[in-house]
Amino acid sequence: EIVLTQSPGTLSLSPGERAALSCRASQSITRSYLAWYQQKPGQAPRLLMYGVSNRATGIPDRFSGSGSGTDFTLTISRLEPEDFAVYYCQQYGGSPPLTFGGGTKVEIK
Amino acid sequence: QVQLQESGPGLVKPSETLSLTCTVSGGSLGGYFWTWIRQSADKGLEWIGRISANGPNDYCPSLRSRISMSVDTSKNQVSLKLISLTAADTAVYYCVRENWYFDLWGRGTLVTVSS
Repeated sequence: EIVLTQSPGTLSLSPGERAALSCRASQSITRSYLAWYQQKPGQAPRLLMYGVSNRATGIPDRFSGSGSGTDFTLTISRLEPEDFAVYYCQQYGGSPPLTFGGGTKVEIK
Repeated sequence: QVQLQESGPGLVKPSETLSLTCTVSGGSLGGYFWTWIRQSADKGLEWIGRISANGPNDYCPSLRSRISMSVDTSKNQVSLKLISLTAADTAVYYCVRENWYFDLWGRGTLVTVSS
């Protein structure tokens, strides 16, 4: 089973600032099969990125993903008020079980 | 527009069986895996397992002995059964379409295991 570790646990930033969220895997992820999700209170997670750096439909270009192997980053270039949420990484390259990271909460400073 | 809707009991007693149904509207079951994911404060997001309309199932190893999933293509529904419930099974259960990654989620249904 691939374990995903996200850091930091909480990121306190102001609107307009840049956010960089880290996701580290316990073993190399096949073919960049890594996705990111955003979750707001009371809602289901929403797909943001897949294949490390591909934005899902309707996701603004202030969101970008990078990385390879075991180290991945989700960057939000300029935080908008609606971006304050919890973000999860997830790998789908290995054999089941498919696994998620523990999440990074981006909160308003 | 494809939508997923989970349904089932909100409260189940310990040792009993949980039965959840996911109804897929606006599209067919073919061509995808249909996945159950649960979320709790203790364990975060946990992949339970997946099923396709005409292929094999995959189940989370730690839950395999207690899970079964099925598909009813005539009703466009996917079902989950989880037996021998304990308080640790208390969570929000999501029905999710898997297209390698999870691109479409239901709203989720809260299941509480309590006597």
